[in-house]
Amino acid sequence: KNEVEQSPQNLTAQEGEFITINCSYSVGISALHWLQQHPGGGIVSLFMLSSGKKKHGRLIATINIQEKHSSLHITASHPRDSAVYICAAGTGNQFYFGTGTSLTVIP
Amino acid sequence: DSGVTQTPKHLITATGQRVTLRCSPRSGDLSVYWYQQSLDQGLQFLIQYYNGEERAKGNILERFSAQQFPDLHSELNLSSLELGDSALYFCASSLSRQGGRGNEQFFGPGTRLTVL
Repeated sequence: KNEVEQSPQNLTAQEGEFITINCSYSVGISALHWLQQHPGGGIVSLFMLSSGKKKHGRLIATINIQEKHSSLHITASHPRDSAVYICAAGTGNQFYFGTGTSLTVIP
Repeated sequence: DSGVTQTPKHLITATGQRVTLRCSPRSGDLSVYWYQQSLDQGLQFLIQYYNGEERAKGNILERFSAQQFPDLHSELNLSSLELGDSALYFCASSLSRQGGRGNEQFFGPGTRLTVL
């Protein structure tokens, strides 16, 4: 059983579309992380959440602690958003990763 | 550029050998994390050090060890290498130990290890 489940596994969108990636976790967390991994392999931390909602540019992350669920939204998607998005649950002394959502945005 | 550096970028070695991966955290960051990303297992947390001391341990094999030095750089030692150890190894750093705003992690570019 995976402690972190992500959906969808793959996602193709047209430029400009609104995108949602979902993450469900089963462990008690100190923080939920959203990471972006570019085709070249580099990883960037997008958000770290312990409650509520955060926004950075066209990216929005929300978390519902009671339901153990988080979502990553991308508004007005762009081809440069094409990457793998990974959700990670941090428990304070362990990190559990989802398998990632591969996003392709077509011009 | 995250400010975290990792060397070497690529490493090719043979089964049974030992290698050392090096990580320098962002200036001012006290925590260093090591992660392994393989094709079949995805990203896995290996170990965290905070200010020289082991802080948290994940799925790190007994053949692997790590340490953080007084200047805060860290090394991950992998010994008795097996084909299955071939992976990308990432280091990340953060300001604080856990939780709170200071725990945003900044990732290095990774070391790609190939075991033949």
